[in-house]
Amino acid sequence: NAGVTQTPKFQVLKTGQSMTLQCAQDMNHNSMYWYRQDPGMGLRLIYYSASEGTTDKGEVPNGYNVSRLNKREFSLRLESAAPSQTSVYFCASSDQTGGHSYEQYFGPGTRLTVT
Amino acid sequence: GIQVEQSPPDLILQEGANSTLRCNFSDSVNNLQWFHQNPWGQLINLFYIPSGTKQNGRLSATTVATERYSLLYISSSQTTDSGVYFCAVRAGRRALTFGSGTRLQVQP
Repeated sequence: NAGVTQTPKFQVLKTGQSMTLQCAQDMNHNSMYWYRQDPGMGLRLIYYSASEGTTDKGEVPNGYNVSRLNKREFSLRLESAAPSQTSVYFCASSDQTGGHSYEQYFGPGTRLTVT
Repeated sequence: GIQVEQSPPDLILQEGANSTLRCNFSDSVNNLQWFHQNPWGQLINLFYIPSGTKQNGRLSATTVATERYSLLYISSSQTTDSGVYFCAVRAGRRALTFGSGTRLQVQP
């Protein structure tokens, strides 16, 4: 099993450009998440999807959109990139039953720079 | 929302020393995880420990949910233990809330 995979690993954008970060998991998990990590800080939740067909905002959703394409895939889109979105982006997944979420597993991250 | 505080923020050890990292949280939780972020940025799951005690080799963790804290013990530290250790908790139906981490440097 590959676990959680993310593409691309690195990306440089100019202000105003758009892009989509891709995430896939092969653990048959119900829930998927997008976090961002700024230098010297912990991770902060951008959006999450408790189950296929649902998405909810996290702590820092402004400037982002998400799509839960199917049970395996959860993408994050930046419509008009800004320098404040320079960060490392992590995708994660976990199983969830009866409202209880279990251990989260993280992908390797995407390092995004917006100039 | 729930607050997560980790201490100490920075720690420098000589190889072979032991250490204890602490995580305090402000509300009841149904999930608590410890992660190691290595110098390459990869997040490695160490423990899923909403309560009780677990051990894995030189590492062990204890969560006392009623008193809202968790401890991570590292024994006989090695240079490969260097990096940032994060505690993350989940309360209710949301995702994990991370602390700001403990940056550990193990010197040979």
